[in-house]
Amino acid sequence: DAKTTQPTSMDCAEGRAANLPCNHSTISGNEYVYWYRQIHSQGPQYIIHGLKNNETNEMASLIITEDRKSSTLILPHATLRDTAVYYCIDRGSTLGRLYFGRGTQLTVWP
Amino acid sequence: DTEVTQTPKHLVMGMTNKKSLKCEQHMGHRAMYWYKQKAKKPPELMFVYSYEKLSINESVPSRFSPECPNSSLLNLHLHALQPEDSALYLCASSQGLAGLNTGELFFGEGSRLTVL
Repeated sequence: DAKTTQPTSMDCAEGRAANLPCNHSTISGNEYVYWYRQIHSQGPQYIIHGLKNNETNEMASLIITEDRKSSTLILPHATLRDTAVYYCIDRGSTLGRLYFGRGTQLTVWP
Repeated sequence: DTEVTQTPKHLVMGMTNKKSLKCEQHMGHRAMYWYKQKAKKPPELMFVYSYEKLSINESVPSRFSPECPNSSLLNLHLHALQPEDSALYLCASSQGLAGLNTGELFFGEGSRLTVL
């Protein structure tokens, strides 16, 4: 089962930064945190992942706290196309098991 | 090519039918996955293949039968399904197993199944 907790929904104005929090208090020292998003009626899309250092790619930035019990996904300049359900995930008990929780519905408004 | 292709996009079948869902990737990924997603719910893991061998079966009923004929193809054979099996079936692939540094999953757009 998913071991992460996220707010059910968030809003963000277009052009502003969207900061999506995630708690993963039971994460083990060698487990990565993954972020995916799912736009309505499409398959999930990989965004970013990290272990202990902050990560950045062309889509987003990932900030992981020093104790690794929480992280924040940052979309620096949200657009209407970023409206989606965002999932923060850590793996299950064995490699290959990636469980999706309920995620955060992010709505970007004009 | 960074796509995972799933066919058919839509499938309607009766409870006595036998049908198959197909998934194909040409990224050289060695792990492939089936997920099931009901409306307004998160995807649920069903099966994981690693190097063409079934490595995880999440206690899925035997009316769902996966098959991995080669490293690029993944099938899901369906037989004697129930109406509650109606859902979006998602295929994914990854270079390494999910959970590894190379374990990011690439998903297809899904096959929407309706069982009458």
